[in-house]
Amino acid sequence: AQSVTQLDSQVPVFEEAPVELRCNYSSSVSVYLFWYVQYPNQGLQLLLKYLSGSTLVESINGFEAEFNKSQTSFHLRKPSVHISDTAEYFCAVIMTTDSWGKLQFGAGTQVVVTP
Amino acid sequence: ETGVTQSPTHLIKTRGQQVTLRCSSQSGHNTVSWYQQALGQGPQFIFQYYREEENGRGNFPPRFSGLQFPNYSSELNVNALELDDSALYLCASSRPGTGHLDGYTFGSGTRLTVV
Repeated sequence: AQSVTQLDSQVPVFEEAPVELRCNYSSSVSVYLFWYVQYPNQGLQLLLKYLSGSTLVESINGFEAEFNKSQTSFHLRKPSVHISDTAEYFCAVIMTTDSWGKLQFGAGTQVVVTP
Repeated sequence: ETGVTQSPTHLIKTRGQQVTLRCSSQSGHNTVSWYQQALGQGPQFIFQYYREEENGRGNFPPRFSGLQFPNYSSELNVNALELDDSALYLCASSRPGTGHLDGYTFGSGTRLTVV
């Protein structure tokens, strides 16, 4: 069995300030890691993912996440946020043994960016 | 690409009734998954369909059932609705094989309220 813990339910941040969203996971087997973002009244969109290779992964809109195997973490960071980054962010895993790719999500972190 | 479309967007039902939610997959995607997202929580996996057969199920009772059609569209049926079934229901599709590692395409969801 596996679980995903997002340590902060809500993160208020000022525009142009940095933000970090924390994600820890627990699993008896190795996992693939994902961050999805949900803008208001929309479905989830893939932000970035770690499958293998370099432990630092980046998105096209300035987010990055680092896989830390020893700490079983996959924290998401952005050095300077915009108002448009206001959304809910979900960390998720897929067990590498699961050929059907069931996503296990954390409870989500609501990011509220204010001017 | 047309994305994933879900209908209806909102629905109000009475406890004990039955409901059918519909999903049209993204073009080229033949695997469909359904998730339940209760208020303030992350999405929970309900089940997945591939080639019109259920190939994975989460911790949901049998009154949650589904169908996938030859055109890869899908339905989620819930019988004997309970108040706790009130949630956002998300449909997600992916490409064949390891397409889930590229990231699922989610619909905007159906908001079900049971009164």
